[in-house]
Amino acid sequence: QVKLVESGGGVVQSGRSLRLSCEASGFPFGGHGMHWVRQAPGRGLEWLAVIWSDGILEYYADSVKGRFTISRDNAKNTLYLQMSDLRAEDTAVYYCARGDDAQSSACDSWGQGTLLTVSS
Amino acid sequence: QALVTQPSSLSASLGASASLTCTLRSGLSVSVYRIYWYQQKPGSPPQYLLRYKSDSDKQQGSGVPSRFSGSKDASANAGILLISGLQSDDEGDYYCLIWHNNAWMFGGGTKLTVL
Repeated sequence: QVKLVESGGGVVQSGRSLRLSCEASGFPFGGHGMHWVRQAPGRGLEWLAVIWSDGILEYYADSVKGRFTISRDNAKNTLYLQMSDLRAEDTAVYYCARGDDAQSSACDSWGQGTLLTVSS
Repeated sequence: QALVTQPSSLSASLGASASLTCTLRSGLSVSVYRIYWYQQKPGSPPQYLLRYKSDSDKQQGSGVPSRFSGSKDASANAGILLISGLQSDDEGDYYCLIWHNNAWMFGGGTKLTVL
């Protein structure tokens, strides 16, 4: 059974940096692309980034390009999102999601999410 | 103009069918895109329903009932999620997703109310 557990959220001041983690289990982590998606309070889903199974390729939404970095450690079955220069508009629930193949395919399983609040 | 547009809300009666649309921006052709659909209920993460590009290129999510199906309306340049035999448990937000220019894009979501 696919299990994705995000951590690292909380309250952070604007301008600071933070790293989110997502621990995966129940499937061959190294065989799947992985995504980060967020959802601001009362708003829709916003895709942020995807990384290929081998970490060779990454793609980002324009809204976070240059500020957020997705990475992974296949030995630890863990996905990361490094976020810098955080702003109030980054306040959201952050989900990690599994891609349905090794590359950039769409999300097919999701974690429960971790809430990030950026305070000014 | 947004890349992908969904109506913000839709109401339909219990036992009836509901068609949720995902309209692509003018200049893009829906025929070349795989469209993915997700359901989200309050306080829960999204759940994958299905993807549809054509009748020969489609996939149902694991455990997703056949009441949920995908199609396209080329004249409207839209992907469609059809839910037949509506149940009260189908209430929630529905999102479409496409891959465009090396990025995934969600539609704004449709809130489905079952009357």
